[in-house]
Amino acid sequence: QQQVKQSPQSLIVQKGGIPIINCAYENTAFDYFPWYQQFPGKGPALLIAIRPDVSEKKEGRFTISFNKSAKQFSLHIMDSQPGDSATYFCAARAEKNSGGSNYKLTFGKGTLLTVNP
Amino acid sequence: NAGVTQTPKFRVLKTGQSMTLLCAQDMNHEYMYWYRQDPGMGLRLIHYSVGEGTTAKGEVPDGYNVSRLKKQNFLLGLESAAPSQTSVYFCASCYTLSGELFFGEGSRLTVL
Repeated sequence: QQQVKQSPQSLIVQKGGIPIINCAYENTAFDYFPWYQQFPGKGPALLIAIRPDVSEKKEGRFTISFNKSAKQFSLHIMDSQPGDSATYFCAARAEKNSGGSNYKLTFGKGTLLTVNP
Repeated sequence: NAGVTQTPKFRVLKTGQSMTLLCAQDMNHEYMYWYRQDPGMGLRLIHYSVGEGTTAKGEVPDGYNVSRLKKQNFLLGLESAAPSQTSVYFCASCYTLSGELFFGEGSRLTVL
């Protein structure tokens, strides 16, 4: 059972474009939604995170939009640059105790973003 | 400050051989995790630990064992390696459940 569905699998944009990566979840107990960025040969690193008490969070050129009723959240990258080329993972966690699952982040399958010069 | 360090970074095994991957963190984190990353499959949790002396199964625990004898170390063992265990393995740790998960740089394992 895939609890966090991420799309698209890959995405190519031109420099300055606004790539959008979408994630949908099923578990209504999820209440923490981070995005991780991974460069080739490196481990993932936290990019930005949101909790469901807000509908949007912005950090620099990166914005998370959150729709609690639809159980969806998305990452937007404004004015994308070639240096943003990486794999992006959405994730979710149920922070309140729910049978031990609160210890674990559930990841989407990842989106390979390529930003062409 | 090294963060999360994984050793070895690369290893080639023959089917049936055993090996241990070591993860060490110097951030005094309680929680530690082992993930495997395969093309198109994302990050899948193998085992995790919520403190020294504890371990628990994740999504794909079969064929792996773990130990957390010291707070700073989390070991992942393969008793009898199989080609299906060819993957990149990532260790991660965090201080609190609501905090950032810090990843190591990965260990690439090939089983022939």
